[in-house]
Formats: sequence, C-alpha cells, structure tokens
Amino acid sequence: AQSVTQLDSQVPVFEEAPVELRCNYSSSVSVYLFWYVQYPNQGLQLLLKYLSGSTLVESINGFEAEFNKSQTSFHLRKPSVHISDTAEYFCAVSLPRDYKLSFGAGTTVTVRA
Amino acid sequence: DAGITQSPRHKVTETGTPVTLRCHQTENHRYMYWYRQDPGHGLRLIHYSYGVKDTDKGEVSDGYSVSRSKTEDFLLTLESATSSQTSVYFCAISDSRTGPSSYEQYFGPGTRLTVT
Repeated sequence: AQSVTQLDSQVPVFEEAPVELRCNYSSSVSVYLFWYVQYPNQGLQLLLKYLSGSTLVESINGFEAEFNKSQTSFHLRKPSVHISDTAEYFCAVSLPRDYKLSFGAGTTVTVRA
Repeated sequence: DAGITQSPRHKVTETGTPVTLRCHQTENHRYMYWYRQDPGHGLRLIHYSYGVKDTDKGEVSDGYSVSRSKTEDFLLTLESATSSQTSVYFCAISDSRTGPSSYEQYFGPGTRLTVT
C-alpha cells in the first residue's frame, strides 16, 4: 500500500517570500500525485497534479511541484506568496486503476504581512 | 465548482443515536467517496462507491455504513454515534471514464458533526 508523508505540519512565512512544502510518498509501483488546497471553512480544491509526462507541473496561481521518482518526492513551491495563500495544503497519491486517494496529514501555511 | 452538495452542513447529536449524512451530485460521476478529516490525520477514507449498489470499505470503516441506490446520492450512516466520530465529513466524486484525469477527485463543502 502507498503512504504519504508531509514533513512540515506548520509553515509560517512572510508575504512575498518563497515557500516550499515537502511531500514524500512510498510505493513500489508508479503513482499519480496531487496537491489539494483547503481554505478556512471550505472543502478541498485541486491545486495541481502529476499523471505523466513533464515532471514539473504548474498551477494557474503561481504554484509549481516537481515529481522526483528517485527521491519519491513531490514538493510544492511558490516563489512569492500572498496573504490569500494562507490555507492548509494536502499532498495525495493514487495508484493506477485504484481510483482511491491516500492523503498526507496536511501542512498549514500562514502568510504574514 | 463540481455540483456536489452535502446535508446537513452542521449537526450536533448525542452518543448512541443514529445519524445519516447525505451527499448529492449532479455530475453523473461513477465514483463517490466519504472521508473524515481530523487534525493531524489529513483525510481518511471511510467508504467509497464505484456504482449503484457497489460499495467498498476504506481504511476507517468501523462504525459506518453506506448506501447508494441512485447514481446521484451516497449516504453515510453512523448506526450508533460515538464521541470518537466527532469530525468533519467530506464527500468527493470522480469519473473513471475519462482516462488518467479521472483520478482527480472533487470535494463537497463538508459536514461538521459533533457527538456529545
């Protein structure tokens, strides 16, 4: 079975500073990888995904994540954060033909002015 | 936003009472899921459905049952609620008919359940 580890539970960061959220997974087979974002008192929204092809994937709001197969990682980065990026971020993994997601414990990002 | 609604959005109930949460979708998606979200645990899968009357257990299914008699509705029942089932419950959907992108799941707004 696959598992997901998010290495940081809380990440405080100043506005316009860069941020990196770390995600590692364990699986003996190929996986699909996702980052979801949850704003306060809301459901989860898909931020970006890796299914195949280019190992660097980008979202429309400036986030990017890089799939590293040798390190079994899928870290999320943003070069300059805004106050509105304050949220909880979840890394998730799925196996092909499984159609179930396994989630990490989440990382809370708090952006301060 | 995906057409997913959950009802009720908030509920307070007493230990030992039965509780049913409803998830309704308008997307005609095949897969539906129930998760619970607790601090420090992320989201954990309770049960999921891959079609009408086709359901299976997730990693934290004890104390929960589900039913799906129509494509659009997926019900989660706590037969006898306990305080350990106080949580936020999320429903999600995905469509397995559209290739790798179908592994994406779309989430409802959540139901906050408190068992006293």
